[in-house]
Amino acid sequence: DAKTTQPNSMESNEEEPVHLPCNHSTISGTDYIHWYRQLPSQGPEYVIHGLTSNVNNRMASLAIAEDRKSSTLILHRATLRDAAVYYCILRINTDKLIFGTGTRLQVFP
Amino acid sequence: DGGITQSPKYLFRKEGQNVTLSCEQNLNHDAMYWYRQDPGQGLRLIYYSQIVNDFQKGDIAEGYSVSREKKESFPLTVTSAQKNPTAFYLCASSSTSGVTGANVLTFGAGSRLTVL
Repeated sequence: DAKTTQPNSMESNEEEPVHLPCNHSTISGTDYIHWYRQLPSQGPEYVIHGLTSNVNNRMASLAIAEDRKSSTLILHRATLRDAAVYYCILRINTDKLIFGTGTRLQVFP
Repeated sequence: DGGITQSPKYLFRKEGQNVTLSCEQNLNHDAMYWYRQDPGQGLRLIYYSQIVNDFQKGDIAEGYSVSREKKESFPLTVTSAQKNPTAFYLCASSSTSGVTGANVLTFGAGSRLTVL
């Protein structure tokens, strides 16, 4: 099964941009890249997803490398409410949504 | 508002007892999932169902059972055979229309089970 690799933790100051990296070197052509985030004691929340092209929505941007072996979630201006664990996931089939341990983002005022 | 409701939010159980966690969705989603999360860990798939009256085991199904009698409901029973049931349990759902990989999961708020 294709897996993802993320740093365990990252830090940012409030109102600064944050770039959260994810490596997925074994990705196949039909795997979508999804990002979710989880606040303490809550269920994960969808952030963004993409296949090949960069994607933007109201929450974040997703930059996907040309070879698709890595991607970066971009929070343009971090707020204290963005402090969470961010999961980078490859969505292959209905059942194969494999969550790693994610990146814990700390945001400082 | 559409969403997923999990209950109870907190549950305490004595060893040897079975407990059932409820998961209801009003999103008209065909697929539903149960995940388990331990402290500091990612999510692990217990069971999933793509259609009513059908479900498949995930990676850690031993000691758990599910049913899918209605599209809206996917209850999880934690049986006494589950050796370490204390965990945070998350239910999710997604559509199965269109391209599978593009379907987004919607999660409930979770149920925290503690075995005394």
